[in-house]
Amino acid sequence: IVMTQTPLSLSVTPGQPASISCKSSQSLLLGDGRTCLYWYLQRPGQSPQLLIYEVFRRFSGVPDRFSGSGSGTDFTLKISRVETEDVGIYYCMQGIHLPYTFGPGTKLEIK
Amino acid sequence: QVQLQEWGAGLLKPSETLSLTCAVYGGSFSGYYWTWIRQPPGKGLEWIGESLPGGNTNYNPSLKSRLAISIDTSKSQVSLTVASVTAADTAIYYCARAGFRGGSNYLFDYWGQGILVTVSS
Repeated sequence: IVMTQTPLSLSVTPGQPASISCKSSQSLLLGDGRTCLYWYLQRPGQSPQLLIYEVFRRFSGVPDRFSGSGSGTDFTLKISRVETEDVGIYYCMQGIHLPYTFGPGTKLEIK
Repeated sequence: QVQLQEWGAGLLKPSETLSLTCAVYGGSFSGYYWTWIRQPPGKGLEWIGESLPGGNTNYNPSLKSRLAISIDTSKSQVSLTVASVTAADTAIYYCARAGFRGGSNYLFDYWGQGILVTVSS
């Protein structure tokens, strides 16, 4: 499955919203109704960290300014008010078909 | 708090074998999928393979012929070997945990700090 992301980079003023789109080449919908789309943030010099699992579920400790939405093959990560600590590269990943595949990443910078 | 720590040789020559180990601290080892993911310098993430509970494995077809992942439950460790490395295998290698609980798949909720492996003659 090929994952694409847009934009590949964005520059955001603190306090402003940001949105990243992710598309998969095949549906990520499981038969039980769950959808296997994940979002990760890789801060500079750090390992990736899980933000969102199964499209919209925030992982433990993730601020509620992060939200995920979408279905089927089209997904979105939104940050309601960007903070300086949100700088890094955001990756979406499909977790339904092996090999799991990641999007190319979206680099978020602060203006 | 779950912690994962990778170690192994950081510099290899072409045709040598890459060997890494990841130890899991502070949490259960059994019942989880232990995964290896790599990232070439300045590039994106690539899923390499996983060890399932019980020791079965799944590998990325792009690497399958050169790859082996094994677990040692008694030591809470997962190991990765990649045979016949080339410069294209130069990357940061991460181990990560995946599991299923509460009706959801938690893919890669914990990651190691990563280890840079460089292949150069």
